[in-house]
Amino acid sequence: DIQLTQSPSFLSASVGDRVTIACRASQGISNYLAWYQQRPGKAPKLLIYAASTLQSGVPSRFSGSGSGTEFTLTISSLQPEDFATYYCQQVNSYPLTFGGGTKVEIK
Amino acid sequence: QVQLVESGGGVVQPGRSLRLSCAASGFSFSNYGMYWVRQPPGKGLEWVAVISYDGTYKGYADSVKGRFTISRDNSGNTLSLQMNSLRAEDTAVYYCAKMNVMYGPGTYPITSDYWGQGTLVTVSS
Repeated sequence: DIQLTQSPSFLSASVGDRVTIACRASQGISNYLAWYQQRPGKAPKLLIYAASTLQSGVPSRFSGSGSGTEFTLTISSLQPEDFATYYCQQVNSYPLTFGGGTKVEIK
Repeated sequence: QVQLVESGGGVVQPGRSLRLSCAASGFSFSNYGMYWVRQPPGKGLEWVAVISYDGTYKGYADSVKGRFTISRDNSGNTLSLQMNSLRAEDTAVYYCAKMNVMYGPGTYPITSDYWGQGTLVTVSS
């Protein structure tokens, strides 16, 4: 199975900050990586797929990059509605796996 | 708009069975492969099962293989998950999720773009 390691697991930031979340795969997965946002009590929401493609309707302050084993999700200017938990997911092979999550909280 | 509504969750004793359903609307259900993904309370996400758009391919996580069965009714726009021999570690919110590309054969993974709101399954005596 492909393991995904996210860092940090917890992040405290202020509105307007630039935030970067990392996701490392245990083996190369090309660009078969997605990022999801999950607010408390809600379903995950797709933000980025194919490592860097912005899902329709997602604000442009979200961006993704990377290939192979190293990936990042960047929020250019954190907004109040962005405080949530973020997960990366690999879709290179079964079983599908997720990172452990990064919780972004208000400083 | 795309809507996925799960139902069927509840409290069940270890060893018993439960059947979850996911009612789909707002898109051509019969054209898309589907997933079940679960999340134990306060924990991360775990993929459970996949089914191709036409139901011919099904795949399972090792943790549920032989106990859970995924199925679909394309005429009724419904996805199901039959869960047998339930264990305490199956306690989770169960989400259904839609693939973001049509005619996914299921044999290789595809990103999921829409998820339902989830249904909670609690396995406890």
